[in-house]
Amino acid sequence: GDSVTQMEGPVTLSEEAFLTINCTYTATGYPSLFWYVQYPGEGLQLLLKATKADDKGSNKGFEATYRKETTSFHLEKGSVQVSDSAVYFCALKYRDDKIIFGKGTRLHILP
Amino acid sequence: DTAVSQTPKYLVTQMGNDKSIKCEQNLGHDTMYWYKQDSKKFLKIMFSYNNKELIINETVPNRFSPKSPDKAHLNLHINSLELGDSAVYFCASSQDNWSSYEQYFGPGTRLTVT
Repeated sequence: GDSVTQMEGPVTLSEEAFLTINCTYTATGYPSLFWYVQYPGEGLQLLLKATKADDKGSNKGFEATYRKETTSFHLEKGSVQVSDSAVYFCALKYRDDKIIFGKGTRLHILP
Repeated sequence: DTAVSQTPKYLVTQMGNDKSIKCEQNLGHDTMYWYKQDSKKFLKIMFSYNNKELIINETVPNRFSPKSPDKAHLNLHINSLELGDSAVYFCASSQDNWSSYEQYFGPGTRLTVT
């Protein structure tokens, strides 16, 4: 079945470091792909999305490109801040079907 | 204004009790969801309603029963609570169930069963 695999956390980086959180997916069709972020004590919020191959989603300095050939949607940011500390979820969704979340990657940014 | 609200935020109760969690969205969305997040942050969908009609019903114990009195509300009732029910429960909504629409999550209800 369809699935999403994220790199295991926690990921710990110093402020201003470059961030990559890997996400790969298994899909039989052409889903939309999402990154959600969950800050401590809060619900999930959409960070960015891409609806078709080669689309790039971006928001708040984060980017991810929908790569059909490698079935990946890696999240990147050039210079992280302490306020980026959160849990990040990669997800896929087909039309008229449930969203499938990865297991989440916890990110710690040290000042 | 809060887009998706849940009450209560915290719920501590004993095994065997029956409890309800309420969810309301003021976004005019057609689809609402309930998720369970365990201590390892793993998120699992439980139910989804579209225009008050159940469309997703994952494998959850039948002690869990969703109720949608109108499309702005989706409540979760849990009978005979067990220790393993302890988790954070999130309500969410989306414009409808088509692919590109994001989901908006509530702040969560932390349920602790003792």
